[in-house]
Amino acid sequence: QQPVQSPQAVILREGEDAVINCSSSKALYSVHWYRQKHGEAPIFLMILLKGGEQKGHDKISASFNEKKQQSSLYLTASQLSYSGTYFCGTNKRSNDYKLSFGAGTTVTVRA
Amino acid sequence: EPEVTQTPSHQVTQMGQEVILRCVPISNHLYFYWYRQILGQKVEFLVSFYNNEISEKSEIFDDQFSVERPDGSNFTLKIRSTKLEDSAMYFCASLLGGLGTEAFFGQGTRLTVV
Repeated sequence: QQPVQSPQAVILREGEDAVINCSSSKALYSVHWYRQKHGEAPIFLMILLKGGEQKGHDKISASFNEKKQQSSLYLTASQLSYSGTYFCGTNKRSNDYKLSFGAGTTVTVRA
Repeated sequence: EPEVTQTPSHQVTQMGQEVILRCVPISNHLYFYWYRQILGQKVEFLVSFYNNEISEKSEIFDDQFSVERPDGSNFTLKIRSTKLEDSAMYFCASLLGGLGTEAFFGQGTRLTVV
């Protein structure tokens, strides 16, 4: 079952913040975040595991609320390079690496 | 940095023809996947492959599709009798397996069926 992402799209000015949410109706083992530029492969950002800590990379961080079965990706002080479509991928078991992807959130950062 | 390589980058084929999409996963990885992305839509799981056999497939992956790992390095997706609706970007992914493992995606093959 695919996770649900929100919002579908967001437009930011450089330096502004945004939050992207990913939720599932089923219990999750892990959440994977990817960013995809138009016509390119999804690029891995980070994994959040059940029982794990909040992760961060530069000014992009994420959290995972296991009880609510949802994850949030935080874009802080956004840069032009943050533009793209962000996908969350989820899996339900530690030994099942197949990812179910959300529909994506398109982020446009303008100067 | 190791990477997943896919060929060709773009394939145009006539409806009804067979195509083979090729992938070279990262050499020590154990789990292999094909995903599909129709233009403007989300990435969809097609099939997973482990220990030389299919471990899971989606409802999209019907008898028209098959996968092989013929020589221990290449991982291929064959689509028989292509249809217009098979036009999409096809991504291969591989991962090592284990706690916190990440999937590495290839650059994709854009398949256009005319």
